[in-house]
Amino acid sequence: NAGVTQTPKFRILKIGQSMTLQCTQDMNHNYMYWYRQDPGMGLKLIYYSVGAGITDKGEVPNGYNVSRSTTEDFPLRLELAAPSQTSVYFCASTRRDRQNYEQYFGPGTRLTVT
Amino acid sequence: AQSVTQLGSHVSVSEGALVLLRCNYSSSVPPYLFWYVQYPNQGLQLLLKYTSAATLVKGINGFEAEFKKSETSFHLTKPSAHMSDAAEYFCAVHENQGGKLIFGQGTELSVKP
Repeated sequence: NAGVTQTPKFRILKIGQSMTLQCTQDMNHNYMYWYRQDPGMGLKLIYYSVGAGITDKGEVPNGYNVSRSTTEDFPLRLELAAPSQTSVYFCASTRRDRQNYEQYFGPGTRLTVT
Repeated sequence: AQSVTQLGSHVSVSEGALVLLRCNYSSSVPPYLFWYVQYPNQGLQLLLKYTSAATLVKGINGFEAEFKKSETSFHLTKPSAHMSDAAEYFCAVHENQGGKLIFGQGTELSVKP
């Protein structure tokens, strides 16, 4: 299993541009998550999904959109990028059964908006 | 709502010394608690988890944590630090709705030779 994979690893955007961060997992996990990590702030949840076709907002959803058309994929869309979206983005997934709450994380995407 | 507080954003120890990273949680229900480690430029990796079984939980790389309900704490320890332990450590509590994890702000561990 490759686990959780994310592309790209790095990206520089200009203000106002858009992009999609890709996330794929091959563990047949039903729950998937997007976090952003800023220095000294821990991880903040952007969006999450409990299954294909179902998404919900997390703590910091403004400026982002998601979709979940398949179990494996959970892309994060940035529209009209702003400097405040400069961050490291992590995708995670979990199976969520029999009290298994452990989340598995991808390697991250480092995004800079200038 | 659940929350997590990690005391100390940066901890420095000498190689071979005890590592103690502090985590306090707030939860209205019996919590599920986690410690994750993040090495530079990598994703998060699970160190250990508490899921209401034994209160002393052993994890990878010689780390362990003790759940103390009376103190609402879940501190991470390792008897003898190694240079390879230098990383950022995150404590997290599980939130029932949506299976979400609430993370603390992280503690960066430095290990001096």
